[in-house]
Amino acid sequence: GAGVSQSPRYKVAKRGQDVALRCDPISGHVSLFWYQQALGQGPEFLTYFQNEAQLDKSGLPSDRFFAERPEGSVSTLKIQRTQQEDSAVYLCASSFGGSGETQYFGPGTRLLVL
Amino acid sequence: LAKTTQPISMDSYEGQEVNITCSHNNIATNDYITWYQQFPSQGPRFIIQGYKTKVTNEVASLFIPADRKSSTLSLPRVSLSDTAVYYCLVGGAGTASKLTFGTGTRLQVTL
Repeated sequence: GAGVSQSPRYKVAKRGQDVALRCDPISGHVSLFWYQQALGQGPEFLTYFQNEAQLDKSGLPSDRFFAERPEGSVSTLKIQRTQQEDSAVYLCASSFGGSGETQYFGPGTRLLVL
Repeated sequence: LAKTTQPISMDSYEGQEVNITCSHNNIATNDYITWYQQFPSQGPRFIIQGYKTKVTNEVASLFIPADRKSSTLSLPRVSLSDTAVYYCLVGGAGTASKLTFGTGTRLQVTL
């Protein structure tokens, strides 16, 4: 496909479980972003990759959140020991160039922690 | 970080022009302004991006005054399918962590 894809689309986890969310960016896009969107609010920046390098992770809310993009393409956002406050939609976006260029978003993964 | 605010909601009739304003008082010199449309259960979809003055594409116009402390998205002749939440995004140039979405404006278009 031509767009950004994310999987799974929905994830239900019990509190304390670890989860892994996958993002497949548009082929050839250098930059990849992760955002967290709480219900009824705008997306909030989590982390940013340029190729395989994680250039900014200042938005990750705690050390339970970890992201990687080992080969500069697919990225995984991992949340360890999930808490109820982690329930949100996690959006991935990619752009052709740097962080100032137009971002193209995936459909998001809706995470519900019970 | 730039604090970015928008009206919570707007109503319009089909066929009218709609203008949605975003306030970004703390915008930095190199920050871009981008507008996105979001439907329920979907990711934001790019509408338009600008840096200063006016930008127009096939679906919208973006007006940015000289001080760049605000921006206005203009949607000509809206239709029912334009009912969605609209977000402005400020930042990005050089520092990803400055990327700040606005509070979002829920546009409701009716007949």
